[in-house]
Amino acid sequence: DIQMTQSPSSLSASVGDRVTITCRASQSITNFLNWYQQKPGKAPKLLIYAASSLQSGVPSRFSGSGSGTYFTLTISSLQPEDFATYYCQQSYITPPVTFGGGTKVEIK
Amino acid sequence: QVHLVQSGAEVRRPGASVTVSCKTSGYTFRNSAIYWVRQAPGQGLEWMGWINAANGHTEFLQRFEGRLTITRNTSASSVYMELSSLTSEDTAVYYCAREYRNGWSRAFDFWGQGTMVTVSS
Repeated sequence: DIQMTQSPSSLSASVGDRVTITCRASQSITNFLNWYQQKPGKAPKLLIYAASSLQSGVPSRFSGSGSGTYFTLTISSLQPEDFATYYCQQSYITPPVTFGGGTKVEIK
Repeated sequence: QVHLVQSGAEVRRPGASVTVSCKTSGYTFRNSAIYWVRQAPGQGLEWMGWINAANGHTEFLQRFEGRLTITRNTSASSVYMELSSLTSEDTAVYYCAREYRNGWSRAFDFWGQGTMVTVSS
């Protein structure tokens, strides 16, 4: 199974900050990497698919990059509504679908 | 507008079974696979299995083999997830999610609201 490792597991940031979250795969997954945002008590929301494609309706301050085993999710200017937990997920070799452990973005 | 609406919260005794339904609307049911993902309290996301809505083919996370069943009713545009031999470790929120394909890429673009399943004696 492909293991997905996110870092950091949590971070504190201020509104307006640039935030970067990383996700590493245990083997190459080319660009089969998705990012989700989850707020407390809510279902995850798809932000980025295929490593760098912005899902319809998602603000352009979110961007994704990477290929192979190393990927990043960047929020260019953190907004109050962006405080949430973010998960990466690979779809290269399934089953199983695997998720990273999550990164909680908190208010500083 | 695509919607996935799940059945309500459930409480079960250890050893029992639970069935969670996921009713879809707003798209052609047979065109998209449905996946099940669960989240234990305070924990991350865990994929459980999926069903091909067109032909009913299923695949599961290996550790659920033998106690997880996923079925569909095409006339009702609904998918059902049954988990048996429940233990306290199955206490979680269970989500259904629609598969989105873009070329060879696959992601989950629409999700149900989640169903809390509590296993307690």
